[in-house]
Amino acid sequence: AQSVAQPEDQVNVAEGNPLTVKCTYSVSGNPYLFWYVQYPNRGLQFLLKYITGDNLVKGSYGFEAEFNKSQTSFHLKKPSALVSDSALYFCAVRGRYNTDKLIFGTGTRLQVFP
Amino acid sequence: AAGVIQSPRHLIKEKRETATLKCYPIPRHDTVYWYQQGPGQDPQFLISFYEKMQSDKGSIPDRFSAQQFSDYHSELNMSSLELGDSALYFCASSDRQGRGGTDTQYFGPGTRLTVL
Repeated sequence: AQSVAQPEDQVNVAEGNPLTVKCTYSVSGNPYLFWYVQYPNRGLQFLLKYITGDNLVKGSYGFEAEFNKSQTSFHLKKPSALVSDSALYFCAVRGRYNTDKLIFGTGTRLQVFP
Repeated sequence: AAGVIQSPRHLIKEKRETATLKCYPIPRHDTVYWYQQGPGQDPQFLISFYEKMQSDKGSIPDRFSAQQFSDYHSELNMSSLELGDSALYFCASSDRQGRGGTDTQYFGPGTRLTVL
């Protein structure tokens, strides 16, 4: 069965410091991996995805993520956090064959303090 | 850039009533997906349509049905509403053709359904 784990319910970081939001996955075969961000009363906004190729993926708003096959991880990172980055972040996986659905992790709330 | 449009944004219904949620995908997107997000939970996949045909099915109750129309918009019909149906319902769309599943799902703002 496919699954995604986000081990941290909340991550706190000071503005200007680097941030990491963790994600591990379990899926048969090679996965398609996604990060989305959800602001209050808003929909899910796409940040970035890994399909194949370079393990470091760059996305919107200065975010990037590193795919690590041996550790089955896809951690989201940003070199310098902004207060406006405070939101709920979801990691998601999509199997390669015969499925449309994204399987989401439970979400990590990022709080960036001034 | 145009985004996914959902209507209504908020809906309040009584138990056992019916509700219809509408979704208008990004122009030229051929695939529509529906997800349900309960309070404090992650989104759960309900159903999807590609070129007006059902493509995949998730944990959608039998009381719910959906379809995609010739103009690619989609409607989620919910009958015999229960208190537990109170949730945020997201529609997403993607441009699937030829992408072998690598297409990105872009989400709308959601419809918040409250069942009293």
